[in-house]
Amino acid sequence: KQEVTQIPAALSVPEGENLVLNCSFTDSAIYNLQWFRQDPGKGLTSLLLIQSSQREQTSGRLNASLDKSSGRSTLYIAASQPGDSATYLCAVSSYSGGGADGLTFGKGTHLIIQP
Amino acid sequence: NAGVTQTPKFQVLKTGQSMTLQCAQDMNHNSMYWYRQDPGMGLRLIYYSASEGTTDKGEVPNGYNVSRLNKREFSLRLESAAPSQTSVYFCASSEQAGSSYEQYFGPGTRLTVT
Repeated sequence: KQEVTQIPAALSVPEGENLVLNCSFTDSAIYNLQWFRQDPGKGLTSLLLIQSSQREQTSGRLNASLDKSSGRSTLYIAASQPGDSATYLCAVSSYSGGGADGLTFGKGTHLIIQP
Repeated sequence: NAGVTQTPKFQVLKTGQSMTLQCAQDMNHNSMYWYRQDPGMGLRLIYYSASEGTTDKGEVPNGYNVSRLNKREFSLRLESAAPSQTSVYFCASSEQAGSSYEQYFGPGTRLTVT
């Protein structure tokens, strides 16, 4: 059964710093990996989707990498801002996680950017 | 373009009561999903509908039923609510089922069962 782990569970950094969030998964036979952002009391906002054949995706100050063979992904946030404060969730779509149609989520990294 | 909408936003039920959570999307997506989010557990898939007319169980389907009413709407029913079903429920949709498509989430329904 697919399991997704995110480290650290919480992170607090000063504004302007570059930071890396980590995600690992137990079954490397994934279809894709998706990073989401969740603000308190809100739904999830999709940030980046990486197909299993891709190594990375970029959107603005965000860069996500995927190393399928080692079961790892990182989300790099450049020049962090207080508005980046949120919980970041990693999710994978995989055969052992129920197929291509459902996502297996990590528990998230709670990020606080100090002004 | 509202995306994925869910009603109600909040609900309190007594044990044994029934209710239906409503979800609608206006993006002409074929696939729709129901997840629940519990503290310390992450989000877990309850049911999904790959296309209109089809539904399939996810990781935690017990105690729930679903209906894909039409292409836009996908409802989740609790026939006899239990305290263990206290959770935040999210509906999501994607253009197609499968690996190439992002899932887009609604704002959630916060359900408390007493």
